[in-house]
Amino acid sequence: QSVLTQPPSASGTPGQRVIITCSGSSSNIGSNYVYWYQQLPGTAPKLLIYRNDQRPSGVPDRFSGSKSGTSASLAISGLRSEDEADYYCATWHDSLSGVIFGGGTKLTVL
Amino acid sequence: EVQLLESGGDLVQPGGSLRLSCAASGFIFSSYAMSWVRQAPGKGLEWVSLISGSGGSTSYADFVKGRFTISRDNSKNTLYLQMNSLRAEDTAIYYCAKSSAAYYSELDYWGQGTLVTVSS
Repeated sequence: QSVLTQPPSASGTPGQRVIITCSGSSSNIGSNYVYWYQQLPGTAPKLLIYRNDQRPSGVPDRFSGSKSGTSASLAISGLRSEDEADYYCATWHDSLSGVIFGGGTKLTVL
Repeated sequence: EVQLLESGGDLVQPGGSLRLSCAASGFIFSSYAMSWVRQAPGKGLEWVSLISGSGGSTSYADFVKGRFTISRDNSKNTLYLQMNSLRAEDTAIYYCAKSSAAYYSELDYWGQGTLVTVSS
């Protein structure tokens, strides 16, 4: 069981807005940046959001990140079929002195 | 263009050893930290280890401490992961990933992974 808690699944219809949450503690999310990664089926993960709410170049502005206290969220608006993927949050854990990933959320576009 | 190419994955018996390599190109290798992240079949991502750009600082997940060693050769632009005392639960795709800074930060580029299977 991961230190960062994500819902195992989420779903939406094309055009909808979906939010994926990531819950941690003061030792991880509460004191460090949160990152989000997208993993399309059969491919390597890709950086989606960095430093809580920043998008790398090439990532559509339909994807947005936020952080509040010990939780973070990834919002996907204007859902598209190609957004169907696994999404992972990650951050640094101070007492473990290492990186931790959430358990991942499988997004299904209905 | 940043490229990361892992190699060295194989079928190995429990208790055995394996060394993974990750050849990097397209960026100043010594300026960036590198990580290994693994993914067991059908499971989520699991961070394994991190090494700073200079190689002078390393960090490991608890489940590999004392068994795995991360290293880098900045003259060869190559990252390594020496894996000893392998267990069935180490079976996974192992990805190397580049940080955007000299120490830990976001993993902005990932390789395609190399499969390690630990089984008798």
